[in-house]
Amino acid sequence: RKEVEQDPGPFNVPEGATVAFNCTYSNSASQSFFWYRQDCRKEPKLLMSVYSSGNEDGRFTAQLNRASQYISLLIRDSKLSDSATYLCVVNIYLSYGGATNKLIFGTGTLLAVQP
Amino acid sequence: DGGITQSPKYLFRKEGQNVTLSCEQNLNHDAMYWYRQDPGQGLRLIYYSQIVNDFQKGDIAEGYSVSREKKESFPLTVTSAQKNPTAFYLCASSVQGSRYGYTFGSGTRLTVV
Repeated sequence: RKEVEQDPGPFNVPEGATVAFNCTYSNSASQSFFWYRQDCRKEPKLLMSVYSSGNEDGRFTAQLNRASQYISLLIRDSKLSDSATYLCVVNIYLSYGGATNKLIFGTGTLLAVQP
Repeated sequence: DGGITQSPKYLFRKEGQNVTLSCEQNLNHDAMYWYRQDPGQGLRLIYYSQIVNDFQKGDIAEGYSVSREKKESFPLTVTSAQKNPTAFYLCASSVQGSRYGYTFGSGTRLTVV
């Protein structure tokens, strides 16, 4: 089983639609969680961190369910410019050197917003 | 402006040749990482370094080597022992512990010819 699993998509939605991405992770010791956005042939960029209480940034809402080891991202009123791959990322604690962590990336979900 | 610079953007390697990918950051981050991305796969960790003069193998270190002689620099060498080196290579850095996520460079696309 992959450490971080996402539906690869693609999700094809019209402009203005609401779209939801889901992600599950296997390591219960995961400490922090993120959504990254990656445009075609570019580097990933941090979209938002995900907090246990849920958090919102404009049209984007992220939620975390630690008991179910489940993370979600909701995009409202989608724009053409939202077309990208969305990566679910979890932070795993490593024992080496004390407070050493590494990020584990899902394979990403491709979103295509249609005019 | 602070950031991470990777060079070159595109690199072509002949069979049996070693090549070195450059990664420089001026963010004053202690931790640096190398990832590899293949089509349809997530990013896979090659090597990481938490402090100068120290580094650790990631999940797919075979056929790669790194050095960390300066805080700002973390070059990756793809050796001839790496049998399938064609991929998109991403360097990243973070404050200690990566609790706040990583900052990525723009990547190097390596192709074997």
